[in-house]
Amino acid sequence: AQSVTQLGSHVSVSEGALVLLRCNYSSSVPPYLFWYVQYPNQGLQLLLKYTSAATLVKGINGFEAEFKKSETSFHLTKPSAHMSDAAEYFCAVRVYSGAGSYQLTFGKGTKLSVIP
Amino acid sequence: EPEVTQTPSHQVTQMGQEVILRCVPISNHLYFYWYRQILGQKVEFLVSFYNNEISEKSEIFDDQFSVERPDGSNFTLKIRSTKLEDSAMYFCASSGGGTVYNEQFFGPGTRLTVL
Repeated sequence: AQSVTQLGSHVSVSEGALVLLRCNYSSSVPPYLFWYVQYPNQGLQLLLKYTSAATLVKGINGFEAEFKKSETSFHLTKPSAHMSDAAEYFCAVRVYSGAGSYQLTFGKGTKLSVIP
Repeated sequence: EPEVTQTPSHQVTQMGQEVILRCVPISNHLYFYWYRQILGQKVEFLVSFYNNEISEKSEIFDDQFSVERPDGSNFTLKIRSTKLEDSAMYFCASSGGGTVYNEQFFGPGTRLTVL
């Protein structure tokens, strides 16, 4: 079964500091991986996705993630945190559901706090 | 920009009551999903729906749950007899189909509280 594990339920960084949110996956087939962000009282918004093309994936708001097969990781980074990055971040892997549809299996989420 | 909408944003109900959560997916999308997130836990897949039938459901989606697309725009999740453990945030999602990765677009969620 395919799954993802997010290390750290809560991460705090200072404004301007590096953001690193960790995600490791387990998959018997080449995975499609995603990072979603959830701002307070809002839905899940796609930040970026890995679909077996380039291993370094750039997303919105300055975030990027690198797919490392040897480490089964897909960590999310941003060089310089902004106050507006404070949100909850979810890593997810796509699992085929049949009839052309895919379900997403999510990690538990990491809440990012940015300290002024 | 098109978006998935959900109503109500918050639903409070008594245990044993029926609830219907409503979603309006993006208009040209073909695949529809429900997920839920119990407070403090991960987002979990409930069901996927395509061509007016369920294509996949998780073990959470038992006989108390049903989904329907009653018209061309709405997609609903019904819980027949709510339990305390059904309290959660329920997310609707839709995707277009016809692409390799079928990006899912999520609604803002409905918070269901069962008393």
